[in-house]
Amino acid sequence: EIVMTQSPATLSVSPGETVTLSCRASQSVTRKLAWYQQKPGQAPRLLISGASTRATGIPARFSGSGSGTEFTLTISSLQSEDFAVYYCQQYNNWPPMYTFGQGTKLDIK
Amino acid sequence: QLQLQESGPGLVKPSETLSLTCTVSGGSISNSRYFWGWIRQPPGKGLEWIGTIYYTGTTDYNPSLKSRVNISVDTSKNQIFLRVTSATAADTAVYYCARSLLDEYQLPSSGIAVPGPSLIDYWGQGTLVAVSS
Repeated sequence: EIVMTQSPATLSVSPGETVTLSCRASQSVTRKLAWYQQKPGQAPRLLISGASTRATGIPARFSGSGSGTEFTLTISSLQSEDFAVYYCQQYNNWPPMYTFGQGTKLDIK
Repeated sequence: QLQLQESGPGLVKPSETLSLTCTVSGGSISNSRYFWGWIRQPPGKGLEWIGTIYYTGTTDYNPSLKSRVNISVDTSKNQIFLRVTSATAADTAVYYCARSLLDEYQLPSSGIAVPGPSLIDYWGQGTLVAVSS
C-alpha cells in the first residue's frame, strides 16, 4: 500500500498570506496525485488533478506541483473561504487502491 | 448537473449489516467513462476508500475491508449499493458516494493496458451512519 503523508497537520495563517502544503508518497505515484478541499459539514471538493491541473471553477490562486514522491499545493492571497482541510490522494495503484493523506487543516491566525 | 444522493439507515446495531444506496441523477451510471464508489470518514478523522464499481459490475475493494464489503449496481435504476457486514463501532462514519474518472493502467505482469478508476471528480453530500446498540 502506498502511504501518503501530509505536512504540517495544522497551519495557522492570516488572510492574504501565501501558504504551501506538502504531500509525500511512500513510493513514486508519477503525477497521479489529486488535491481536495473539505469544509466543515461538506463533502470534499476536487481542486487539482494530475498534480498540477486545476479542476473546473477552481481559482488561479490554487496551484499544484511535484511528481514522483513529493508534491505541494500552494494557495496564494488566502481568502476567508480557503480555511478548510486539504487532502492529497494518489491514484497510481494497480490493482486500484486509493490512499489519502491524513489532511492539513488551515486555521485562521 | 450531476447529483449523487446517499440514503439508508442512520443507525445500525453491532454485528448487523450496514446497507446504503446511492442514487445518481443528471448522468448515467452506464457511461463508460466513469467508475462509481464509496468513501467513508469517521467523525473528526480522514478519508478512507471503500471500493469502486464499473457499470459492468467489475469491482475493486480496499483490502482491509474486502472480506466484509460488497458494492453492486443497478443500471436500470441508476443506483449503486454498499453493504458492510458484521458492523462494529469502527464502521461509524460519514459515507460518501463518489464518481471517479476512468484511466488506463498497465498490468505489471504483461504490460497490457486495462481501465481502472482514478481521481474522484464528484461526491455526494454524505450520510452519517452510527453503529451502536
